[in-house]
Amino acid sequence: TQLLEQSPQFLSIQEGENLTVYCNSSSVFSSLQWYRQEPGEGPVLLVTVVTGGEVKKLKRLTFQFGDARKDSSLHITAAQTGDTGLYLCAGEKRALYSGGGADGLTFGKGTHLIIQP
Amino acid sequence: EAQVTQNPRYLITVTGKKLTVTCSQNMNHEYMSWYRQDPGLGLRQIYYSMNVEVTDKGDVPEGYKVSRKEKRNFPLILESPSPNQTSLYFCASRSQTGDNEQFFGPGTRLTVL
Repeated sequence: TQLLEQSPQFLSIQEGENLTVYCNSSSVFSSLQWYRQEPGEGPVLLVTVVTGGEVKKLKRLTFQFGDARKDSSLHITAAQTGDTGLYLCAGEKRALYSGGGADGLTFGKGTHLIIQP
Repeated sequence: EAQVTQNPRYLITVTGKKLTVTCSQNMNHEYMSWYRQDPGLGLRQIYYSMNVEVTDKGDVPEGYKVSRKEKRNFPLILESPSPNQTSLYFCASRSQTGDNEQFFGPGTRLTVL
């Protein structure tokens, strides 16, 4: 069962344009992470959002966690060719019985982003 | 340098021949996990470990085994590989405290003929 739906699956835009990638779920997560993966490498963490409604900015990237902690978005302003890559969201459900230990991340299928010069 | 290492990076094998993919981290992380990444299916968790001698199944554990005898190592074992286990495998680790940033290894591309 795919708990996290990412959209769009593929996106190709011109350099300088803005874009938004979405990550949606019917489940509530204790936190949500965004990763970027380049070909031949493992994913690299961009940001973690924890609080419902939280907004975090990383230069031209803006991440938002939904108020109900079920969804998130990634907005890129003035995209650059270096932004090209696979963007993954991952939700964490913290196990209630362990006093805080996580029981794993669930990943979305990813958004393949291509920024054309 | 803080890192997660995997070996081998590439492996071609035949059906039924047991293999082990090693994973090691030098960050003293409690939590380690294995994922496989397939086109159209994304990253799926195979097994995870919250500490030494504590392991649990992820979403797709069938056909895999793991062990966590030491904190730094978390090998993935395929007792009898089959072609449907052809995939790109990632090991990851993270601390149970702080911001829970997960560090991924460089990946192991496995082909089972």
